[in-house]
Amino acid sequence: DQQVKQNSPSLSVQEGRISILNCDYTNSMFDYFLWYKKYPAEGPTFLISISSIKDKNEDGRFTVFLNKSAKHLSLHIVPSQPGDSAVYFCAASESDSWGKLQFGAGTQVVVTP
Amino acid sequence: KAGVTQTPRYLIKTRGQQVTLSCSPISGHRSVSWYQQTPGQGLQFLFEYFSETQRNKGNFPGRFSGRQFSNSRSEMNVSTLELGDSALYLCASSPAGYNEQFFGPGTRLTVL
Repeated sequence: DQQVKQNSPSLSVQEGRISILNCDYTNSMFDYFLWYKKYPAEGPTFLISISSIKDKNEDGRFTVFLNKSAKHLSLHIVPSQPGDSAVYFCAASESDSWGKLQFGAGTQVVVTP
Repeated sequence: KAGVTQTPRYLIKTRGQQVTLSCSPISGHRSVSWYQQTPGQGLQFLFEYFSETQRNKGNFPGRFSGRQFSNSRSEMNVSTLELGDSALYLCASSPAGYNEQFFGPGTRLTVL
């Protein structure tokens, strides 16, 4: 069963605009959430994370929002740049399962000039 | 600091053979996790090792096994290969007590 879901397989956005990626989860035991970015033929690169005790975390152009009651998180990228074109994965973990991340299916982001 | 390294990068095997993949974590990282990425199933957790002990295991058959050495390097083994085992196998490491995992480039396994 897919406990982490990214329902949008792709997203196209203009350079300079905001990219919003969404992620939903079903397991209420998840208490830590991460976003990764992946280019073809490379491993995923860690972007940003958030603990369930927070509702927002910001790092440069990247902000992650967590809505625990809705079991929903989102990643905002502002402004979007051509180098942001990649597949973005949402991942989640439980505190008693360190080292085990459960991933969504990914969203392909294309930033157009 | 050097990143996570995986060897080999590419591998071609035939059905029924067995294969061993290797992962060297970032220096100082004691946790090593393995994932399988396929187009249909996405990134699936295989297992995680910490201080030479398997701490977590995913839902894969017993043909998939792993181990970790005292220097934190890890290997995974797949026996009796099947066509469906063709995938990108990713290794990730993290420091003790941290959720953030840092991935290697992966080993692309093709089973013919």
